[in-house]
Amino acid sequence: GESVGLHLPTLSVQEGDNSIINCAYSNSASDYFIWYKQESGKGPQFIIDIRSNMDKRQGQRVTVLLNKTVKHLSLQIAATQPGDSAVYYCAENTGGFKTIFGAGTRLFVKA
Amino acid sequence: NAGVTQTPKFRVLKTGQSMTLLCAQDMNHEYMYWYRQDPGMGLRLIHYSVGEGTTAKGEVPDGYNVSRLKKQNFLLGLESAAPSQTSVYFCASNPYGAGSYEQYFGPGTRLTVT
Repeated sequence: GESVGLHLPTLSVQEGDNSIINCAYSNSASDYFIWYKQESGKGPQFIIDIRSNMDKRQGQRVTVLLNKTVKHLSLQIAATQPGDSAVYYCAENTGGFKTIFGAGTRLFVKA
Repeated sequence: NAGVTQTPKFRVLKTGQSMTLLCAQDMNHEYMYWYRQDPGMGLRLIHYSVGEGTTAKGEVPDGYNVSRLKKQNFLLGLESAAPSQTSVYFCASNPYGAGSYEQYFGPGTRLTVT
């Protein structure tokens, strides 16, 4: 069945270092992937997305990498800041209304 | 724009009681969704709507009903609350034909059923 999973439930990084959050997906038909950030007490917020015909996409301080061969997605955050502390969700979509969310990775940024 | 708003923010119910959660969006989005969020399980889709007057079941619809009488509102009802429905509920919306499946989320409703 469909599933989106994460390799690590928590990640702790030093302020200023780069962060890498990983995600595995199982549905080969998924053609759209999104990363969301959820701060405590708030709803998830869109960070960046990527389509299956791409293998890399960059935003402001964030990069998403997609490896379709091994069904792996990663979110890289450059120069991690205290404000980046949150739970990060990867999500996949097969082009319809159904978006499947992973269990989330909590990122801690140490000052 | 207020975006997506949810009412109430917190609620405590006793088993068997009923309640309605209200979601409103002012972005003229066609699609709206209700999710529940439980520790370690991410977000799971309860029901969704692709337009005014339409609703459909998601992954975990049992025990919930929804209505979308107006485009901007999506209501989630619990007819007879159970402790298993203790969760944080999020509403989301996104536009049709935007070329993106990015969803806009509300701030959530924390529901406790005792």
